[in-house]
Amino acid sequence: EVQLLESGGGLVQPGGSLRLSCAASGFTFSSYAMSWVRQAPGKGLEWVSAISGSGGSTYYADSVKGRFTISRDKSKSTLYLQINSLRAEDTAAYYCAKSPAYYDILTGYYYPKPDYYYAMDVWGQGTTVTVSS
Amino acid sequence: QSALTQPASVSGSPGQSITISCTGTSSDLGGYNYVSWYQHHPGKAPKLMIYDVSKRPSGVSNRFSGSKSGNTASLTISGLQAEDEADYYCSSYTSSSTLVFGGGTKMTVL
Repeated sequence: EVQLLESGGGLVQPGGSLRLSCAASGFTFSSYAMSWVRQAPGKGLEWVSAISGSGGSTYYADSVKGRFTISRDKSKSTLYLQINSLRAEDTAAYYCAKSPAYYDILTGYYYPKPDYYYAMDVWGQGTTVTVSS
Repeated sequence: QSALTQPASVSGSPGQSITISCTGTSSDLGGYNYVSWYQHHPGKAPKLMIYDVSKRPSGVSNRFSGSKSGNTASLTISGLQAEDEADYYCSSYTSSSTLVFGGGTKMTVL
């Protein structure tokens, strides 16, 4: 069974830092792009960042560029999000998510696409970050 | 990058069909066939319902379908069931190599 388990959230003061982790299991971790998505209290979903299967390509929302860093460790099947210079508006539940495999209609098989990050088919339960003094 | 535009709420009776719209621009939704739809029950993990405009992941009911015309995408739910009541979000790839979500639509089964 494919599973994603986030950790690392907590209460932090403005200007502080945190590192979120997402432990993956049940699939070949390095074959899939991964993303972070957040949801502030009472608000909608906001895409934060994505990383290719190899880790060689990273992408960020303008709202976090320069403050957040996404990375992955193949040996630990773990995704990370380093969050620096935290602001009150970063308060949210942070979800990690995996990208879906590609369905080849000719063969009827599913294949991973390590550079495809345009959708997310498996999500974790989320970890909450609260920024407050 | 501005959020995609979705209606705040839609509703329908059991057995009926409803459609949720999602409007963007030529720099995002209109320019790429990478539109996804997610179902989100509060307190649970979001669930992918449609990706690449109209593809349905394995295990998702065929009552859910997606389409796109110009800068507007649509999610149609046919044969409404009580368990379909949830928040629905669209998302799209953008010309900046980022993803953008819609503001979300609260779907109520009457």
